Amino acid sequence: QKEVEQDPGPLSVPEGAIVSLNCTYSNSAFQYFMWYRQYSRKGPELLMYTYSSGNKEDGRFTAQVDKSSKYISLFIRDSQPSDSATYLCAMSGTGNQFYFGTGTSLTVIP
Amino acid sequence: GAVVSQHPSRVICKSGTSVKIECRSLDFQATTMFWYRQFPKQSLMLMATSNEGSKATYEQGVEKDKFLINHASLTLSTLTVTSAHPEDSSFYICSARDQGKGAFFGQGTRLTVV
Repeated sequence: QKEVEQDPGPLSVPEGAIVSLNCTYSNSAFQYFMWYRQYSRKGPELLMYTYSSGNKEDGRFTAQVDKSSKYISLFIRDSQPSDSATYLCAMSGTGNQFYFGTGTSLTVIP
Repeated sequence: GAVVSQHPSRVICKSGTSVKIECRSLDFQATTMFWYRQFPKQSLMLMATSNEGSKATYEQGVEKDKFLINHASLTLSTLTVTSAHPEDSSFYICSARDQGKGAFFGQGTRLTVV
């Protein structure tokens, strides 16, 4: 079983829709959870960083962490064509290593 | 957020030559940096963990003599692809962890070996 599971998609939504991206994990020691956006041929850009369980909101983005279910989500409200990218979840414990999902490809159609 | 700068963004080299890629943390100190390789439409593949002042830790299957990593200071790690061959052509990305803020990535380097 992989440490982190993420549906690769592709996911296609109309402009203005609410997008829900999810990851599950198996290691209960993970405490730090991140979401990245990666455009083609670019390095991943950190969108959200959360510690432990709970919600965090930043503009149109909301990250949720449910440690009891080992499940994290990223919601994008009022999606825009510029949100079209690959979204990666990542997590870590107290050590230095990060564990990444495989990424979900999102296309927002104008 | 914190900034990680990677250089060059793109390089073309001849088969058999060596290429050096630099990764700098611009506004924080990074005792640990990570080097990844990414194939088209695939996720990041961790190659090695670079530790300041000590030897890098390589993932299984990664040739340490081919991919030389040096982490000479708290803000700079370099990856040298030695005797490059066309199969080494790929997208290489570094990242560094800013404690309490997450991991930040460089812009990536697209290496083409001809």
